[in-house]
Amino acid sequence: ILNVEQSPQSLHVQEGDSTNFTCSFPSSNFYALHWYRWETAKSPEALFVMTLNGDEKKKGRISATLNTKEGYSYLYIKGSQPEDSATYLCAFGVPDGLTFGKGTHLIIQP
Amino acid sequence: SQTIHQWPATLVQPVGSPLSLECTVEGTSNPNLYWYRQAAGRGLQLLFYSVGIGQISSEVPQNLSASRPQDRQFILSSKKLLLSDSGFYLCAWSGTGGPRFTQYFGPGTRLTVL
Repeated sequence: ILNVEQSPQSLHVQEGDSTNFTCSFPSSNFYALHWYRWETAKSPEALFVMTLNGDEKKKGRISATLNTKEGYSYLYIKGSQPEDSATYLCAFGVPDGLTFGKGTHLIIQP
Repeated sequence: SQTIHQWPATLVQPVGSPLSLECTVEGTSNPNLYWYRQAAGRGLQLLFYSVGIGQISSEVPQNLSASRPQDRQFILSSKKLLLSDSGFYLCAWSGTGGPRFTQYFGPGTRLTVL
């Protein structure tokens, strides 16, 4: 059974502050690491797919890094806004599908 | 552009009743299709995936089954629901090519078994 862990489980951040959270995954048999944003009453939205050690991806104020040798990825949000409130999921890609962590629930406080 | 539909959006069913959830994809051909479930307090768990018509792989032993009668249609079924089948069910599609391809999710079905 693959173990994909995310921390923290939940996070309250003041509007305008920057934040980051972690995803850890098996460091062997690596294919890809996915990040999704899941807002209440919506479908999970793909943010990044990362495949190479040292990958850095950026989309607006959100960025992510990948370390496949030690099995972790960080997601960063710069200058948090209320619309960033969501659950952020990471998923370890395997040939059959994705193994998800439980997510980090982010709440941005005005 | 591609779209993915799921229905119904919510469902309340008694224990022992049958289940049929449907997922359809538009705007793409020969997609990989997936069923996931999020049970209370748990992460999204892969239930089934399919690479083509009639080809279904199951990830976990369970009370559910899946079928793919057409290229862009994926159905999740049960003959007799259990309380533990309650959860949020998501269908997803991806292009062929495996774990490096983004999966795109439908709106989901909230199933409550009483």
